[in-house]
Amino acid sequence: AQSVTQPDIHITVSEGASLELRCNYSYGATPYLFWYVQSPGQGLQLLLKYFSGDTLVQGIKGFEAEFKRSQSSFNLRKPSVHWSDAAEYFCAVGSSYKLIFGSGTRLLVRP
Amino acid sequence: GAVVSQHPSWVICKSGTSVKIECRSLDFQATTMFWYRQFPKQSLMLMATSNEGSKATYEQGVEKDKFLINHASLTLSTLTVTSAHPEDSSFYICSARPARSTPTDTQYFGPGTRLTVL
Repeated sequence: AQSVTQPDIHITVSEGASLELRCNYSYGATPYLFWYVQSPGQGLQLLLKYFSGDTLVQGIKGFEAEFKRSQSSFNLRKPSVHWSDAAEYFCAVGSSYKLIFGSGTRLLVRP
Repeated sequence: GAVVSQHPSWVICKSGTSVKIECRSLDFQATTMFWYRQFPKQSLMLMATSNEGSKATYEQGVEKDKFLINHASLTLSTLTVTSAHPEDSSFYICSARPARSTPTDTQYFGPGTRLTVL
């Protein structure tokens, strides 16, 4: 069965520091992978997605993610975190037209 | 573009009453809408998939008689929690998939509805 694991429940980084959020998936075929951000009072917003081609994908707000098939991973990165990046981040795998979400990682940003 | 709204944003009700939550796609037509439930500090769990003009498809373990879903138009889906009990208290999120989208296209999410059953 398809599944998504985000091993870090929460991560705290200092503003300006780099960030990496981990995501591992289990899927039989080539997965469609997504990263979403959830801020209070707002719907989940798509940061980036991967379904084929270049394994390093660029997204909005300066985020990028790298698909590594050998490690079944799709980690999200940002070189320099801003205070406004504090939010909940969800990795998801697409199964047909459905999405299966990981448990989320809450990002806290220290001033 | 691609805005999804939910109403109400929060609701408190008494145990045993029914509550209706609306999900609207404001600037696109959505042939498919999804309803999720999110427990505190947990993931989004898909409850059901609704297709315009047809019956909803419920995920395993979701009581279809308790969570009634109606998708009567291309811009509106409703979730009715019938005979609500405290254990139904949760954050309910809808999403909408535009017509003619593919599996690699994203869904667009509403801001969610916080339901508290007393």
